[in-house]
Amino acid sequence: GEDVEQSLFLSVREGDSSVINCTYTDSSSTYLYWYKQEPGAGLQLLTYIFSNMDMKQDQRLTVLLNKKDKHLSLRIADTQTGDSAIYFCAESPPGDNTGKLIFGQGTTLQVKP
Amino acid sequence: EPEVTQTPSHQVTQMGQEVILRCVPISNHLYFYWYRQILGQKVEFLVSFYNNEISEKSEIFDDQFSVERPDGSNFTLKIRSTKLEDSAMYFCASSEAFFGQGTRLTVV
Repeated sequence: GEDVEQSLFLSVREGDSSVINCTYTDSSSTYLYWYKQEPGAGLQLLTYIFSNMDMKQDQRLTVLLNKKDKHLSLRIADTQTGDSAIYFCAESPPGDNTGKLIFGQGTTLQVKP
Repeated sequence: EPEVTQTPSHQVTQMGQEVILRCVPISNHLYFYWYRQILGQKVEFLVSFYNNEISEKSEIFDDQFSVERPDGSNFTLKIRSTKLEDSAMYFCASSEAFFGQGTRLTVV
């Protein structure tokens, strides 16, 4: 079945770039997503990438997709203390038209001033 | 900006009791979802709802769980007889893009 894996923790200094990695098992996934969860809040969709793309950039966020290695990454440039949160990657399973998502376990990003 | 609202934010219930978790999704969306996250674990899909009926459900969504959209506005998740292992954060979603802030359910 589908599975999504992430490292659990990342610590960076303010102003550095953060790279959060994710691997997934099903290479025919159609969409891959990144969500942010701040303490006490819900899941906020940050960005998504369609499986026929290699890269997507949105302001400080860059998503890279390596379909061959089934690897997805989220790069946050000039990381700020307000970026401290849990980041989830998620995939939309192939052949599923209900829109359900398979989530990773989340990466806690700690930004030190 | 449209948002998904969940109530209550925290619910404590005794084992064996019924609970109803409520969500107000975005009105013109077609698909609605419930997910749960047990502390320290992954966010898990429970059920998707389309056109006033369940379109898909996971293995977790057994006979103790039910969903309905009684008035075209609220979208509810009912757990008939709660177990300790039902303790989790429950998220409602309206399409893939809009999640509520979650209801923390604690079963004691």
